[in-house]
Amino acid sequence: DGGITQSPKYLFRKEGQNVTLSCEQNLNHDAMYWYRQDPGQGLRLIYYSQIVNDFQKGDIAEGYSVSREKKESFPLTVTSAQKNPTAFYLCASSIKAGTSGTDTQYFGPGTRLTVL
Amino acid sequence: GDSVTQMEGPVTLSEEAFLTINCTYTATGYPSLFWYVQYPGEGLQLLLKATKADDKGSNKGFEATYRKETTSFHLEKGSVQVSDSAVYFCALSDNYGGSQGNLIFGKGTKLSVKP
Repeated sequence: DGGITQSPKYLFRKEGQNVTLSCEQNLNHDAMYWYRQDPGQGLRLIYYSQIVNDFQKGDIAEGYSVSREKKESFPLTVTSAQKNPTAFYLCASSIKAGTSGTDTQYFGPGTRLTVL
Repeated sequence: GDSVTQMEGPVTLSEEAFLTINCTYTATGYPSLFWYVQYPGEGLQLLLKATKADDKGSNKGFEATYRKETTSFHLEKGSVQVSDSAVYFCALSDNYGGSQGNLIFGKGTKLSVKP
């Protein structure tokens, strides 16, 4: 089955530690995205990548880092510099970015990160 | 900049009631418009979409029409079920400029349907 997988589903971290969230897709999509969801605030874009080996900051990139070494994978690292990392993190992908008809984003099941 | 405004919830309805969730947008170019649904503890699922003015998206009994003149994309369903209880997000993808393809989301509307 084609789709987007995120692991783990639940993640606990001690304050001051970096943690990496996994996102893998087998849809052969070019573009991938990371969002953060907080209660009552909708989704906010952290980083996005339109092609392998390239990525751009979204609206709330501070305290996060990403890499895009392979088309299928777009891991997100939450660093100790992120002041309030407890949230639900969603990964998404689309065939291409910016072309009507191919811009539909498909989402993974999410990772809930809790900082203790 | 681009933005999406949707009605605040929560919305509570009885089963078989008519549903409307309002969504209006502001965009620079000619956006695609989407409705996503999120069930508790899960990711977002695409519910329907429309890519140009006057297009109607539909799926699972839900409908929304892309109205350029009123910059709206209201979600409707004629008869809701308990299983429709979820959070609904309106979103746009603006195909203009450097941020093309990025989704702008509304804050979400929580729907609860009572038996």
